[in-house]
Order: sequence, then structure tokens, then C-alpha cells
Amino acid sequence: GDSVTQMEGPVTLSEEAFLTINCTYTATGYPSLFWYVQYPGEGLQLLLKATKADDKGSNKGFEATYRKETTSFHLEKGSVQVSDSAVYFCALIRGSRLTFGEGTQLTVNP
Amino acid sequence: NAGVMQNPRHLVRRRGQEARLRCSPMKGHSHVYWYRQLPEEGLKFMVYLQKENIIDESGMPKERFSAEFPKEGPSILRIQQVVRGDSAAYFCASSPKEGNQPQHFGDGTRLSIL
Repeated sequence: GDSVTQMEGPVTLSEEAFLTINCTYTATGYPSLFWYVQYPGEGLQLLLKATKADDKGSNKGFEATYRKETTSFHLEKGSVQVSDSAVYFCALIRGSRLTFGEGTQLTVNP
Repeated sequence: NAGVMQNPRHLVRRRGQEARLRCSPMKGHSHVYWYRQLPEEGLKFMVYLQKENIIDESGMPKERFSAEFPKEGPSILRIQQVVRGDSAAYFCASSPKEGNQPQHFGDGTRLSIL
């Protein structure tokens, strides 16, 4: 079945550092891919998406590119802020059903 | 522009009691999904509903759990005879149509079983 694997956390960075959170997936066909962010005590917010190979999703300085050849959708940001501290989830969708990775806790220190 | 509304935000039950979790989808959304997040884990799909129909319940435990989305009113996730292992955050999401559409999430109900 479908699965999503994220890099293990937690990840701790200093403000303005470069961020990469790795995500790979296993699925038949070409599902749409998403990154969601969860702030403490809240639900998940859609951060960005990509619907086909080589698509680049971007939002709020975050980017991720749908790589079919490596079945990856790594999240990147060039300069993180303290307000980016949250849990990040990579996900794919098939038939209206989201499959999530385990989540990566990001802490950004001033 | 109200988002997905879930209530209660926190629910405490004793073992053996019933828990009812409610979800009102975003305006204009007729597709509802329930996910469960166990401590330190990602979200796991439970059930997908449209108005008055269960479309996919393959992620629901076979016993004690049920879900509905009536013609009028919110979607309800019902857990009968709760046990400690039911303690989790339960999230509802909605979308305007089926398929590879982004789902919009509520803030969740955190269920604690004493």
C-alpha cells in the first residue's frame, strides 16, 4: 500500500539557517503530494502542494519539488524564523484518502 | 469565512463511557474525513463520508467506532465503551469535492480516557 517516510526529528536550527526536511513516498501511479504544518494545539494547515512530476509547490518561503525519479518531495526554506517552529507532515492523496508521514518537529531558536 | 469547526476541543471520559465528537465542514464542502493522531505519531485515516453516505470506512476499528454525516447537522464520530487506548487527537477535514483535492482541517478534539 501507499506510504510516506519523513526524516526523523526533532530538528533544531538557529534563526536564518537553511532548512531541509526529507520526504519519500511509495505509491503506484502519480498521487498528489502535500506538506502540512501543525502548530501546537492546532489542526493541520496546508502549506504547499504539487500535483504532478516536476511541479514545484511554494508558500511562505517554503518550497518542495515533486521528483518522480527519486519518489521524493523534500521541503526546503532558505532562512527559517522562530515562527516556523511547528510539526511538518508530508502526505500523499489517493482516492480522497490522505496518507501521512510521521511528522518532523522543527524548533527554531533566536 | 469559517473553517472546519470541531467540538468539543477537549473531552474527558472514563473507561466504558461513550464519546461523541462533532465536526461541521467548511461552507460549501460536502465531503468529510476523520483522522486519528496517537501520541508522537502521524495522522491515520479513519473514515470518509458524504452527506448521508459512508464512502470509505476502511480505517475504522471494527468495533465500538461509528461515524455519520446526516442530511442536516454536523458529522459525528462516536466511540462506545471507550478504553485507554482511544486517547488521541481526532481531526476532521473537509473538501468541496472528491479526488486529489487539498483537505482543510479543524483544530481537533483531544480525547482523554481516565
